[in-house]
Amino acid sequence: EAGVAQSPRYKIIEKRQSVAFWCNPISGHATLYWYQQILGQGPKLLIQFQNNGVVDDSQLPKDRFSAERLKGVDSTLKIQPAKLEDSAVYLCASSSALGGAGTDTQYFGPGTRLTVL
Amino acid sequence: AQSVTQLGSHVSVSEGALVLLRCNYSSSVPPYLFWYVQYPNQGLQLLLKYTTGATLVKGINGFEAEFKKSETSFHLTKPSAHMSDAAEYFCAVNTGRRALTFGSGTRLQVQP
Repeated sequence: EAGVAQSPRYKIIEKRQSVAFWCNPISGHATLYWYQQILGQGPKLLIQFQNNGVVDDSQLPKDRFSAERLKGVDSTLKIQPAKLEDSAVYLCASSSALGGAGTDTQYFGPGTRLTVL
Repeated sequence: AQSVTQLGSHVSVSEGALVLLRCNYSSSVPPYLFWYVQYPNQGLQLLLKYTTGATLVKGINGFEAEFKKSETSFHLTKPSAHMSDAAEYFCAVNTGRRALTFGSGTRLQVQP
């Protein structure tokens, strides 16, 4: 079974530029998550999708971050414009349970390391 | 609200020694608890999880953790450390159909 795929693995941009990350979850997984992991910290949720609907985006900085999950499969996370403090690893995860049940295992991709200069 | 505290951002042990990584949680409802491991430049991999039932949970690579409700703890242990255990370990909590809340992580070093 293929795992969660993410691209690119690394990205370096100047501040005020835009950037997009792509995630393809495990086939059949209904729930998809984007987490931000700043160096030295644990991952923090940005947005959670169930199929192609948003379940939780309360911690997404909506003035600069956007995300979509068209057709309930793969997803794109965009930052526009980027700030220095956006430097982090962006992790995508998926789980099989509809509604993202609390007991369900989340499977993580390798992440995209973003550096904003 | 739910939260996780991991005591000790860095832990160093000798190869063959006991590994103990501490995790305390805060939750107003019965929690589901997880330990994940992260190797350099990789995503997180589930080590073990507690949902209901037996409070001593066994995971992969010889790790186990015990849920202690009275102490609000879920410490991770391994009887004998191996060099390959060197990584960052994250404790996480979930109390419903939402995303995980992670601790800040503990970096485990294993000395030869």
